Amino acid sequence: RKEVEQDPGPFNVPEGATVAFNCTYSNSASQSFFWYRQDCRKEPKLLMSVYSSGNEDGRFTAQLNRASQYISLLIRDSKLSDSATYLCVVSRGSNQAGTALIFGKGTTLSVSS
Amino acid sequence: EAEVAQSPRYKITEKSQAVAFWCDPISGHATLYWYRQILGQGPELLVQFQDESVVDDSQLPKDRFSAERLKGVDSTLKIQPAELGDSAMYLCASSRGQNEQYFGPGTRLTVT
Repeated sequence: RKEVEQDPGPFNVPEGATVAFNCTYSNSASQSFFWYRQDCRKEPKLLMSVYSSGNEDGRFTAQLNRASQYISLLIRDSKLSDSATYLCVVSRGSNQAGTALIFGKGTTLSVSS
Repeated sequence: EAEVAQSPRYKITEKSQAVAFWCDPISGHATLYWYRQILGQGPELLVQFQDESVVDDSQLPKDRFSAERLKGVDSTLKIQPAELGDSAMYLCASSRGQNEQYFGPGTRLTVT
C-alpha cells in the first residue's frame, strides 16, 4: 500500500459545482495533515492544514478521520481559478519539529465555464 | 511576504555533466528540504537539514547526489554525473520547525 493515496482524477466540473477529493494514508503514527495546491509547472503552495475536528476556509472544507486514516477536501461553488492539482500531504511520523512530509500524486481539477 | 529563493529556474545539461542548484530559505527557518518531483508525481524528499546538519538523506542517491548547508542558511544540491533519469523539478522548501513547509519556485532540470 502506498503511503498516501489519492483519487486518480482528473475531475472536470462546471463552475459552481461542489467537488470532493479523498485521500488515505498508511502510517498511523502520522500527526500532521495538509492539502497543498499546485498549478501547472509551479511549486506546491499550502492550501490548508487539516485538523481532527475538521476545518473550513471559505469555500474549502477539510476533514480528517484518524480511525479510517482518511482525509478529504470539499470545494464548494467551484471557480475557474480553482483549476489546479491538489496534493494530499501527511507527515512521516510524530509531530516533531521539521518532520518530513509525504505527498500523494495529486488529483487534477479542471473547472470549466 | 518572505519567499524561498532558488536558482537557476531552468537548467539543461548533457548526461555525465555536473550540475548544481542553490536555495535560500525564508529567513529564520531552521529546517530546509530538497525534494524531487517527476512529472505526474508528488514531490519526494531527497534530503532534510536542521540548521547545518543533515537530518534525513535516506532517499538521496549518494553515489551521484550531494547536498550541503555549511552555515545553516542557504544550501546547494549537486548532481555529478547527471543521468537522463534525473530530469525533473527540484524543489527546495523551508519551515520554522512546525510542519508547514513553504516551497521555492523550483529548478526544472533537463538532462539530454
